[in-house]
This record gives sequence, structure tokens and C-alpha cells, in this order.
Amino acid sequence: EAGVTQSPTHLIKTRGQQATLRCSPISGHTSVYWYQQALGLGLQFLLWYDEGEERNRGNFPPRFSGRQFPNYSSELNVNALELEDSALYLCASTPTGQGATGELFFGEGSRLTVL
Amino acid sequence: KQEVTQIPAALSVPEGENLVLNCSFTDSAIYNLQWFRQDPGKGLTSLLLIQSSQREQTSGRLNASLDKSSGRSTLYIAASQPGDSATYLCAVSGATNKLIFGTGTLLAVQP
Repeated sequence: EAGVTQSPTHLIKTRGQQATLRCSPISGHTSVYWYQQALGLGLQFLLWYDEGEERNRGNFPPRFSGRQFPNYSSELNVNALELEDSALYLCASTPTGQGATGELFFGEGSRLTVL
Repeated sequence: KQEVTQIPAALSVPEGENLVLNCSFTDSAIYNLQWFRQDPGKGLTSLLLIQSSQREQTSGRLNASLDKSSGRSTLYIAASQPGDSATYLCAVSGATNKLIFGTGTLLAVQP
């Protein structure tokens, strides 16, 4: 069974541009989480989507946004890129509903470099 | 606000040694605690999940314990191997349904 897949693997943008990152959850998983891992800062929670709705967001400016599609895949958009947005962006999925343990499964991440 | 701390920040051991990684959290109202492994530049691999009602979980050479009342978890790695070299992260999930991650322990197992 395929795990969480993310694309692109690497992305290079310049300041002020927009970046779009994509995530496909494990089949049957309805919840998708996005995390940012910047160098030296650890993993920071960005967004949580479940059943197509944004359920929670972390302490990030509004230029970080996203959505979840009917097939539960998700995309993360970062507008007006800044140098400090350079990071590894990780997507995770988890099943919800009765019996769900809350265990998160992560993809390999998308490395965003802002020049 | 939940805060998760991991000690030590880095650890270097010879191959074959048993070792313990520590994780502490400030708010004991958690749903579960998860241990992950991360290789350089890669995503996270889930190692063990402990539900709040459980005391420990085991998988192969790995054993994780949870003491919710004291806000502590330990990850025990038996008979360490060079392939175990990675960063180990613990994370707790609470009422907000988001995982709060610790700072990680960078483990190097010397052959």
C-alpha cells in the first residue's frame, strides 16, 4: 500500500513568488496535517484538514493557506515568499472515526528553497 | 501551552550498547505520544505510538514507556546498530488534535 506522497520533492523560488506543494494521503485516511521544518527550528504545526475542512492552524501568517480536495488530497500554498520560508514541508495523514488511534504517517517532504 | 523537551540533544554510543532516550512534556492531558525517526533530509518514520491509557509499547528492539502523570516517556533501544543512527523525535497529541514535537535527539552509533 502506498504511503503518503508529496510533490514536488524540491522547489526553488525567488522572494515574492508563490509556491504550491501537494500531498496525497494514505488510502482511507481523511485527515491531513502540514508541518514546517526550518533549519534549527524543529517541526512547527501549520494546518490540519479533515473531511475537506480546515480544522486548526498554527501560528503562521495568512499567506500560508491550503485546501483539501474531495479525494482527501491536499495542497499547501505559500504566497509572497520570504527567505525564511525556506524549509522542509512535511505532510502527514491519519485515519479518523471509530477505532482510530491518531497515529500520524508522514511523507518524505517537499524541500522549498527561497532565493 | 504544551512544551516537549528531549534529553540528551545528541548521543554517540558504540555499536551493541543499550540506550535510553528521554522525552518530557508539560501538560499531562494528552491523547497519545508518538516516537519517530528522521534520517537527514528525509521525512519521519513512525516507530511507536502509545495511547494515553497505555504504559508501554514494544516493536522489535524498541520499547517505549509512558508515565503521563509525571509527563515523561522513554525510548529504549536494545543492542544498537549503526543503522539506528538518526534523529529521534517524540510528539504528543492533545485536545487540539495536533502533534507537538520535541526538539529531537541526534543519535550516532559507532561501528
